[in-house]
Amino acid sequence: DIQMTQSPSSLSASVGDRVTITCRASQSISNDLGWYQQKPGKAPNLLIYAASSLQSGVPSRFSGSASGTDFTLTIFSLQPEDFATYFCHQSYSLPYTFGQGTRLEIK
Amino acid sequence: QVQLQESGPGLAKPSETLSLTCTVSGGSISNNYWSWIRQPPEKELEWIAYIYYSGSTNYNPSLKSRVTISVDMSKNQFSLRLNSVTAADTAVYYCARTTRAGYFDLWGRGTLVTVSS
Repeated sequence: DIQMTQSPSSLSASVGDRVTITCRASQSISNDLGWYQQKPGKAPNLLIYAASSLQSGVPSRFSGSASGTDFTLTIFSLQPEDFATYFCHQSYSLPYTFGQGTRLEIK
Repeated sequence: QVQLQESGPGLAKPSETLSLTCTVSGGSISNNYWSWIRQPPEKELEWIAYIYYSGSTNYNPSLKSRVTISVDMSKNQFSLRLNSVTAADTAVYYCARTTRAGYFDLWGRGTLVTVSS
């Protein structure tokens, strides 16, 4: 199985900050990487697919990028509603696997 | 808009079979892939299986021997059966629509299943 190593596991930031979350794949996954947001008690929400494509309806302050087996989610100018847990997911090969998640908290 | 809702018992006894159903409302189950995903407490998400509306399936090898996923187009539902459960199967179980590229673009809110005697 492909291992997805996500960092950091938690992060404190303030409204207006720019934050970066990283996932590293244990092998090449091309650009088959998605990012999701999850809030307590709510359904997870797909933000980014194919490493850098913004899902319909997702604000443009969310951005994804890739470099080899390293993938980055950047949130520009954090908004209050962005404080949540984020996780990555590889869709390159079965079984699909996920990162451990990053909890983004208000500083 | 399309919504997913998981349903099923919140408690199962060890060695029993866990059965969950996902109801798709606001749209058709046709022409889509549908997955089950779970998250044990304090652990990462784990993809369990997916099914195409026509019935073709794919399973996570780690669970394949114990899992069955099925679809009922007449009810716009798909289901999960997990046999011989143990405490390690305690988790929040999610159903999700799955794109052809393998992304989960719509999720249910999840249902907590606790395995305990």
